[in-house]
Amino acid sequence: QVQLQESGPGLVKPSQTLSLTCTVSGGSIRSDNYYWSWIRQPAGKGLEWIGRIYTSGNTNYNPSLKSRVTISVDTSKNQFSLKLRSVTAADTAVYYCASGVARPRENWLDPWGQGTLVTVSS
Amino acid sequence: QSVLTQPPSASGTPGQRVTISCSGSSSNIGSNYVYWYQQLPGTAPKLLIYRNNQRPSGVPDRFSGSKSGTSASLAISGLRSQDEADYYCASWDDSLSGVIFGGGTKLTVL
Repeated sequence: QVQLQESGPGLVKPSQTLSLTCTVSGGSIRSDNYYWSWIRQPAGKGLEWIGRIYTSGNTNYNPSLKSRVTISVDTSKNQFSLKLRSVTAADTAVYYCASGVARPRENWLDPWGQGTLVTVSS
Repeated sequence: QSVLTQPPSASGTPGQRVTISCSGSSSNIGSNYVYWYQQLPGTAPKLLIYRNNQRPSGVPDRFSGSKSGTSASLAISGLRSQDEADYYCASWDDSLSGVIFGGGTKLTVL
């Protein structure tokens, strides 16, 4: 059973880059069977999909964030990462990583990590 | 404003049946699967329904999903206090080429 755990700084200054890592356990990130995703949730608000990456390196990003986002995979560490550039207070949120099955038309997210709060403030 | 529209709140008494709606368009629900997630207070979301009406292992059959045209619904029967949570619908949007979520529905068990 795959398990995911987010890690990274809890505080980022405005205009800087938010960097988070998701460590995968119980499975290999090299597997062609999965894709790896990031989702965020501002306090008291709903879920926002950020993007995903396949083992092949193919990515899909939320159009509203695409110009600032990069998702990458580090197979040597069994991790995938999120970089969000030029952050503002509006990027303050709980950030979740999640995985999904890489099959045509399948876009579910399961399992999820526990989430990590990132605050953007000077 | 979310691409998928859900009522912000729903409520019911223990044992009742409640439904939560999710409205979309031809580019998302109309042509793709619908998923439902349950988020208990202070926890990460959990997949509740996939492929419109399938339950992952471990999800009670009190939870059921349906889809018709560009709308979907989540039904919870035999309501319990532990069902009090936020519920989100989701789908793929062909126009946006991404996953979209509804705004979420807060379910209160009275």
